[in-house]
Amino acid sequence: ELKVEQNPLFLSMQEGKNYTIYCNYSTTSDRLYWYRQDPGKSLESLFVLLSNGAVKQEGRLMASLDTKARLSTLHITAAVHDLSATYFCAVDMEGGSEKLVFGKGTKLTVNP
Amino acid sequence: GAGVSQSPRYKVAKRGQDVALRCDPISGHVSLFWYQQALGQGPEFLTYFQNEAQLDKSGLPSDRFFAERPEGSVSTLKIQRTQQEDSAVYLCASSGRAGIWSYEQYFGPGTRLTVT
Repeated sequence: ELKVEQNPLFLSMQEGKNYTIYCNYSTTSDRLYWYRQDPGKSLESLFVLLSNGAVKQEGRLMASLDTKARLSTLHITAAVHDLSATYFCAVDMEGGSEKLVFGKGTKLTVNP
Repeated sequence: GAGVSQSPRYKVAKRGQDVALRCDPISGHVSLFWYQQALGQGPEFLTYFQNEAQLDKSGLPSDRFFAERPEGSVSTLKIQRTQQEDSAVYLCASSGRAGIWSYEQYFGPGTRLTVT
């Protein structure tokens, strides 16, 4: 059974600081996704990582994937209040199954 | 439409009532997924369609849950004899156009179901 673990589950940080969210998964996977969810809203796709060593950046967020370690990271640089949200990582199974298995999410609060 | 739409956005049901939740995927998308998101948790897979075929229903929690997509477009998730533990947000996602393989799932706004 594929399991996805994120840590930390809660993160409170000051504006301007850097931090990293970690996502571990238990079995080989084709693809890893990062989503953002604002309260009461749906999921917004941030990144799709397809191969070992993949790195993608958008603004203050950078995601990377190490398939050998079964680990993805989401790095936040110089956080701003607008980044406050819950961030989920998700993976799908190697072999073509399309369903996503999500982590529990990391609730990020950026304080002024 | 520009994105995935779901209706109703909010539904309050008395315990024991039947409910039907609708999903309109992005036009032309082949794959359609239903997920259940409990408060403070990540979404959990319920079922998956490719066109009108239901290829995976392993996540449906009980036989009270039933999903269909008869014409390969709009889908309905039906919950019979609702229970309090069914209270959650039900998310629909779609992906992939015919002839163009695509894995990225686009999510709708969800239906928040509250069973009283």
